[in-house]
Amino acid sequence: SQQGEEDPQALSIQEGENATMNCSYKTSINNLQWYRQNSGRGLVHLILIRSNEREKHSGRLRVTLDTSKKSSSLLITASRAADTASYFCATDAGRGQNFVFGPGTRLSVLP
Amino acid sequence: EPEVTQTPSHQVTQMGQEVILRCVPISNHLYFYWYRQILGQKVEFLVSFYNNEISEKSEIFDDQFSVERPDGSNFTLKIRSTKLEDSAMYFCASSDWEWGNQPQHFGDGTRLSIL
Repeated sequence: SQQGEEDPQALSIQEGENATMNCSYKTSINNLQWYRQNSGRGLVHLILIRSNEREKHSGRLRVTLDTSKKSSSLLITASRAADTASYFCATDAGRGQNFVFGPGTRLSVLP
Repeated sequence: EPEVTQTPSHQVTQMGQEVILRCVPISNHLYFYWYRQILGQKVEFLVSFYNNEISEKSEIFDDQFSVERPDGSNFTLKIRSTKLEDSAMYFCASSDWEWGNQPQHFGDGTRLSIL
C-alpha cells in the first residue's frame, strides 16, 4: 500500500531559521497534502499540491513535489516558536485508496 | 470560520462496553471521515461516509465499528465492545469534495481511554 514517510522524525531549530521536512511515498498519487498538528489538537490543513504541479507557495510555506522520485518537501521559512508542531504529509491515490498519513515530523522552534 | 466539533473531548470506558463518539461536521460538507491516532503514532484512516453510506473503510474498521449520520448535523462512530487496543485519539473530518481533492477539516478529537 502507498505510504507517506516523513523525515526527519524530529527537527529542532532556532527561531528565524528555515525548516525543511521531506515526505516519500510508494505509489502513484493524485495529490499530496501537508497538515500540521499542535499537541493535543486536530490536524490543520496547510497546503495541497496536485500531481501535475511541481511547486506551491502559501505565505512562509513552500511545497515541492517530485513525482519521479515520489517525494515532496515542505519548507517553512523564517520559523517562529508558534510553528512548533508535528507536520504530516498525506497522499491520495484516488477512489478506492485510503487517504494515507505519514508518521510525521516533530518540529521544535526554539526562541 | 466554520469548524468541526467533537464530543466528548475525553471518554473513559470499561473494556467491553459500547462507546459512541460524536461529531458535527461543517454544515455544507458532503464527505465525512473518521481517523484514529494511537499515542505517538501516525494518523490512521478508519472510514469515509458519503450520501448516507460508507464509501471506503480500512482493515481497522471491523464489525465492532459502525458509523451513522442520524440527522442532518451529527456524524457518529460507535464501537460496540471496546478493547484495550481501542485506546486512542479519534478524529472526525469533513470535506466538501471527496478524498484528497479538497482539504479535510479536522475536529480536535476525542481521547478514548479503555480501562
